[in-house]
Amino acid sequence: KAGVTQTPRYLIKTRGQQVTLSCSPISGHRSVSWYQQTPGQGLQFLFEYFSETQRNKGNFPGRFSGRQFSNSRSEMNVSTLELGDSALYLCASRSSGQGAGTGELFFGEGSRLTVL
Amino acid sequence: AQKITQTQPGMFVQEKEAVTLDCTYDTSDPSYGLFWYKQPSSGEMIFLIYQGSYDQQNATEGRYSLNFQKARKSANLVISASQLGDSAMYFCAMSGFSGSARQLTFGSGTQLTVLP
Repeated sequence: KAGVTQTPRYLIKTRGQQVTLSCSPISGHRSVSWYQQTPGQGLQFLFEYFSETQRNKGNFPGRFSGRQFSNSRSEMNVSTLELGDSALYLCASRSSGQGAGTGELFFGEGSRLTVL
Repeated sequence: AQKITQTQPGMFVQEKEAVTLDCTYDTSDPSYGLFWYKQPSSGEMIFLIYQGSYDQQNATEGRYSLNFQKARKSANLVISASQLGDSAMYFCAMSGFSGSARQLTFGSGTQLTVLP
């Protein structure tokens, strides 16, 4: 069974640009969550999608957005990049339709974004 | 608001010995879950073990066990018979409501190094 796949694994952007990251969940998983990991702030929840609808959203500015497609694949977009957006962006999927408290999250290897 | 505290930034253990990684939490939600994840240098978060707030028995998964003390709000991870491959960052996480979002809240992590 294939795991969570994130692309690209590494990317470099400059300030003011935008970026789109992609996540393919484990087959059959309908919930996809995104997390940002930085040395200073640690792991922070961005948002969760279930059946193409954003169900939960963390405390991030509107520059961070996402969507989910009918095949459960998800994308997240960051517009007007800032230096502080440099981070490892992790995607996670799970099979349960309930809240994050039930069922384990399966994570991808992440997309490492560097903003210059 | 939820909070997870891991007070050990780094830990060393001799191969084949047991090690305990500390985790304390704070939440006003009566229903929550506690997770431990391992993150090797590759970046992927690997699920290790889960404990529900209403579970009476401590969770165990192979060499991993969770020492759940609800009154003390602690959820320590015990790794028995440490192996060199256990060297990684370990995160404690909690599910529940944080503001309007149901999400996982992560601790700052403990870097475990297993010595030969």
